[in-house]
Amino acid sequence: EIVMTQSPVTMSVSPGERATLSCRASESVSSNLAWYQQKPGQAPRLLIFAASTRATGIPSRFSGSGSGTEFTLTINSLQSEDFAVYYCQQYNNWPRGTFGQGTKVEIK
Amino acid sequence: EVQLLESGGGLVQPGGSLGLSCAASGFTFSVYALSWVRQAPGKGLEWVSSITASGGRTYYTDSVKGRFTISRDNSKNTLYLQMNSLRAEDTAVYFCAKVQRVEAYFDYWGQGTLVTVSS
Repeated sequence: EIVMTQSPVTMSVSPGERATLSCRASESVSSNLAWYQQKPGQAPRLLIFAASTRATGIPSRFSGSGSGTEFTLTINSLQSEDFAVYYCQQYNNWPRGTFGQGTKVEIK
Repeated sequence: EVQLLESGGGLVQPGGSLGLSCAASGFTFSVYALSWVRQAPGKGLEWVSSITASGGRTYYTDSVKGRFTISRDNSKNTLYLQMNSLRAEDTAVYFCAKVQRVEAYFDYWGQGTLVTVSS
């Protein structure tokens, strides 16, 4: 099983600042990586697929990068609605896609 | 607009059974694979099971293999998950998710249904 490790577990960021979230795979997943945002009581929402492609309707302040085993989600100029939990997921060995444990972005 | 609406969750005793449904609309149901993903209270996301577009192939995470059965009815645009021999550790919100056709990430999710296994 491919293990996905996210860091940090929690980060405190002020509105308007940048947040940089990391995701590491235990083996190469090429660019087969997605990022999801989840708010309390809601379903996850797709943000990024193919490591760096924004999903439909996702603001440009969200960007993804990386390939192989190291990936980054960057959120520029954090807005109030961006405070949430973010998960990375590899889908290189579908259907056994595995998720990271999540990074909670909270208001500083 | 793509919509996925789960139902069937509830409280069940350990060892019991429960069936979940996911009614889909807004896309051509029969050409997409679908999955169930669960989230235990306060925890992260865990892939549970997937089924191909035709229903011909099914896949399960090891912890539910032999206890859960995924199926679909393409004439009713509905996905199912039959859960037997339920354990406390199966307690979670269960989401159905549509699998993007080419790259296999989850592009749409339902709102989830809570399954609680407790005596």
